[in-house]
Amino acid sequence: DQQVKQNSPSLSVQEGRISILNCDYTNSMFDYFLWYKKYPAEGPTFLISISSIKDKNEDGRFTVFLNKSAKHLSLHIVPSQPGDSAVYFCAASAGGTSYGKLTFGQGTILTVHP
Amino acid sequence: DGGITQSPKYLFRKEGQNVTLSCEQNLNHDAMYWYRQDPGQGLRLIYYSQIVNDFQKGDIAEGYSVSREKKESFPLTVTSAQKNPTAFYLCASSKGRNTGELFFGEGSRLTVL
Repeated sequence: DQQVKQNSPSLSVQEGRISILNCDYTNSMFDYFLWYKKYPAEGPTFLISISSIKDKNEDGRFTVFLNKSAKHLSLHIVPSQPGDSAVYFCAASAGGTSYGKLTFGQGTILTVHP
Repeated sequence: DGGITQSPKYLFRKEGQNVTLSCEQNLNHDAMYWYRQDPGQGLRLIYYSQIVNDFQKGDIAEGYSVSREKKESFPLTVTSAQKNPTAFYLCASSKGRNTGELFFGEGSRLTVL
């Protein structure tokens, strides 16, 4: 039972354009969402998060949008750079006793071409 | 340089053997976690610990055991009861229970021969 889904295994974008990565979830108890980035042979690194009381959070070139009614979130990267090429995981938490109990999606491989 | 150190990076095990993966952090974080990653899947939570001498099962704890005797250390033992142990194992930590911002180690790849 996949509670967090990233339906696009891969995405290819030209440098300078916008990258949009999508994520859907099914568990209504999730109230905190995060994006992680992972390079090969490294552990994931935290990128950006959003609480369910917001519908948008921005940090530099990265913006996360949350649509609670659709149970959908997306990560926008503008402008995309070749160094952004990595695997991106969305994750969700029901908060409560531990926000670190994350449920991850399968990941989307982003390739940014120069 | 603060961070999380996992060892070994690569480990081979014969069927029926227990193995222990090490995870050490010098970030002074209270909470620590073990996740498992399989090809084409997201990370799945095995065990987590919010304070010393306390730990909780995650979503896939069967066949695994942990201990948390020191704040800095959270070793994971993969026992012979784990039916499909070949995977990439990631240890993480966070400042406390109220954040999902995890700091991950570089991972340990376990292969059962």
